[in-house]
Amino acid sequence: KAGVTQTPRYLIKTRGQQVTLSCSPISGHRSVSWYQQTPGQGLQFLFEYFSETQRNKGNFPGRFSGRQFSNSRSEMNVSTLELGDSALYLCASSLGVAGGGTDTQYFGPGTRLTVL
Amino acid sequence: AQSVTQLGSHVSVSEGALVLLRCNYSSSVPPYLFWYVQYPNQGLQLLLKYTSAATLVKGINGFEAEFKKSETSFHLTKPSAHMSDAAEYFCAVPVPRAGSYQLTFGKGTKLSVIP
Repeated sequence: KAGVTQTPRYLIKTRGQQVTLSCSPISGHRSVSWYQQTPGQGLQFLFEYFSETQRNKGNFPGRFSGRQFSNSRSEMNVSTLELGDSALYLCASSLGVAGGGTDTQYFGPGTRLTVL
Repeated sequence: AQSVTQLGSHVSVSEGALVLLRCNYSSSVPPYLFWYVQYPNQGLQLLLKYTSAATLVKGINGFEAEFKKSETSFHLTKPSAHMSDAAEYFCAVPVPRAGSYQLTFGKGTKLSVIP
């Protein structure tokens, strides 16, 4: 079974631009969660989508948004990029039956975003 | 709110020595606990998962973890370190939020293996 894939793997943007990251979950998984990883803050939960609905959201500003499609693929968007948005963005998929973090989550390789 | 604390941001061991990475949870007994490993420039890979079915949990690559309620701990161990174990390790706990759960991670422990 193919794992979680994320595209692109690397991205360089400038302040003020917007960016869209994509995540394809493991086949059969209906839940997709997004995390931001930085050296200072570690791994922080952004949001979780299940059956095209946002089921949970972390403490990030409204510039961070996401969506999920009927095939469970998910995208996250960051508008008006700031220098502090430079991070590794990780996507994880799970069956989603038990609800969010109680299911085993399988992570993709991440997208490394650099904001100049 | 439930959280996990990992003691030691960096741990160095000699090849062949015991690996011990510490994780303590904060409050009530969690229904689940996870250990993940992250190799350089990669995502997180599940090492093992505690589900209250057994206090000693065996994972991949020879790792295991023991849930100790009296010590609020879930430390990760491996009897003999290998060079390929050099990576960053994260302990995580699901925290209930808004009718669902949110996976909350510790700050991570970077393991170095000295030949």
